[in-house]
Amino acid sequence: DSGVTQTPKHLITATGQRVTLRCSPRSGDLSVYWYQQSLDQGLQFLIQYYNGEERAKGNILERFSAQQFPDLHSELNLSSLELGDSALYFCASSGGGHQNSPLHFGNGTRLTVT
Amino acid sequence: AQSVTQLDSHVSVSEGTPVLLRCNYSSSYSPSLFWYVQHPNKGLQLLLKYTSAATLVKGINGFEAEFKKSETSFHLTKPSAHMSDAAEYFCVVSDYGGSQGNLIFGKGTKLSVKP
Repeated sequence: DSGVTQTPKHLITATGQRVTLRCSPRSGDLSVYWYQQSLDQGLQFLIQYYNGEERAKGNILERFSAQQFPDLHSELNLSSLELGDSALYFCASSGGGHQNSPLHFGNGTRLTVT
Repeated sequence: AQSVTQLDSHVSVSEGTPVLLRCNYSSSYSPSLFWYVQHPNKGLQLLLKYTSAATLVKGINGFEAEFKKSETSFHLTKPSAHMSDAAEYFCVVSDYGGSQGNLIFGKGTKLSVKP
């Protein structure tokens, strides 16, 4: 068990809808990362937060947004959903914001857009 | 810019035989390198990491990797495969000053283990 909790585990929704994915990092970890994993794109980095502030931004669409709250949990909001957004979304956390910190991954939220 | 290439998308071995998963990296700096494993329907788990200490790094579940600067490689090995090793493996390089949240993931190598 990595200590990172993601909810929900599965989500099925229709195109055009909006969903929120939630992540609780490992106790004491200040950094939260979001990744999207699909069969054709592989593992894509979306965004990183460190202690409530955005630290790095990757291939995140404008329809997607995220935030990290004072209690360090994070939410990823996906709106105007398209079929191509169907993927496994992972949250990961680490103790620091530097490059040597290994990431601890949650088990992911599987999003299916129909 | 940093990058990582996993040379095989799929590797198949028999149980009890050695495992070799190949990874080459490119980095302008002295890199930190990691191997992660992902079992079906699970998150990624750290197997081992190299951060400029010993070049031979031992990880969990009997895996190890050797950092070879002259070859820019960080191959993952295990002397004897077990059925439970069947999973996808990701080689990862640190992303200094980049925009990838500190880490760059390879495309993954799927390991199959035959009985």
